[in-house]
Formats: sequence, structure tokens, C-alpha cells
Amino acid sequence: GAVVSQHPSWVICKSGTSVKIECRSLDFQATTMFWYRQFPKQSLMLMATSNEGSKATYEQGVEKDKFLINHASLTLSTLTVTSAHPEDSSFYICSATVGSGPYYEQYFGPGTRLTVT
Amino acid sequence: EDQVTQSPEALRLQEGESSSLNCSYTVSGLRGLFWYRQDPGKGPEFLFTLYSAGEEKEKERLKATLTKKESFLHITAPKPEDSATYLCAVQASGGSNYKLTFGKGTLLTVNP
Repeated sequence: GAVVSQHPSWVICKSGTSVKIECRSLDFQATTMFWYRQFPKQSLMLMATSNEGSKATYEQGVEKDKFLINHASLTLSTLTVTSAHPEDSSFYICSATVGSGPYYEQYFGPGTRLTVT
Repeated sequence: EDQVTQSPEALRLQEGESSSLNCSYTVSGLRGLFWYRQDPGKGPEFLFTLYSAGEEKEKERLKATLTKKESFLHITAPKPEDSATYLCAVQASGGSNYKLTFGKGTLLTVNP
């Protein structure tokens, strides 16, 4: 299957600082990537859809000025958590779609654990 | 609004004891139903995509089936290494992207 990587795998930052998380598709081009967050023992909640060369589409209730998404190339999307606070501590996971038309698969990265102190 | 309900929330099996996990869904039109496995602290691992009622897919000890209202993940003779959370997700037709709506998952524990 296709491989999606994330960097860093974990990060600790102080309240008020910004953190950037990278998501890369290693062996395929991804015109669309997705960003999810997952709280302990909860399922994945979609935050935004990242489209190469255009603005991201955010889900209802997600602050676009706080979670900045940039999809600068067909293999890289970044999520920047600005002015992070302890409540932003979570597991952030990206995904990318492989295939087109009616038949496709969606692959996930290994996730990034963010802890804000 | 698309909804996905998985049951049971948790399941304990003895090694070799076959069972099934359920995923009930409500969606305006189904483009695809996905099954993933997630280990603690890791991203979901893709297992299957099912597209139409009656479709079945198999991978090692896992078999996924789909009806118009639900999907089952059958686990045959499970091993301890099959212990994980199994997630079900749906994608609705009519959209221009591939947004997935996830269920809360079933935590499977297989005891040796």
C-alpha cells in the first residue's frame, strides 16, 4: 500500500507558541490530504481538507486562523497550530487518497502527538 | 447527516475463537465503506474498502461484508496479534472530495 509519513512523531511545546506538523506522501502524489485529530479513546474527527494549490476547507467548529493548513506541493501538506494552548493537546493524523473515480483507498500517517504545557 | 455506529464497543476473545464486529451506517448515498485497524499511539492501517451491497473482501483472518445498512468484519481463528481497535468509516456519494465519517471503533482483545 501507499505510504504517508508525518513529522514530528511527537512534540512538546509551551503555551502560546506555534507548532508545525508535516504530512508527506512518499510514493505517490496526493492532490487531496486530510487532517484529523483524535482524543484519548475517541474516534477520529476530521478537521480540514487540504487541496494542493488552493485554500483548505475546514469543518464546522474548527478555527481556520488557529489551525493553518498549507498544501504547497503534491506530496506535502503542513498543519500549523498557532498560539497553542493545553486544550490543543491531542493526536493529529493526516491522510491521503490514492486512486480516482469510484475506486480508491485512503491511507493514514502514523500521527503526531502534541502536548502543550 | 452521515452516521456510523460500531458494536460492540469492546470485545474479548480467546485465541482461535471466531467472531464478528458490526458497523451500522446511515448515509445519503454510499460511495465507499472503509475498515481500518488502529494500534495504540499509531495511525489507522487500511484494511478494506467496500463499494456496493453484497461485496466481500478478505485478508488473512479478516473478511469484510457489506449490506445496504451495515457491514461486518468477521475474524476467523484470531491470534493475540489481532488485538487492536477496528474502525469503520463511510464516504458519501455526491461530494467532490473523499471525506470520511468514522465510527467510535471496537476494541478487540485476543487472549492467548
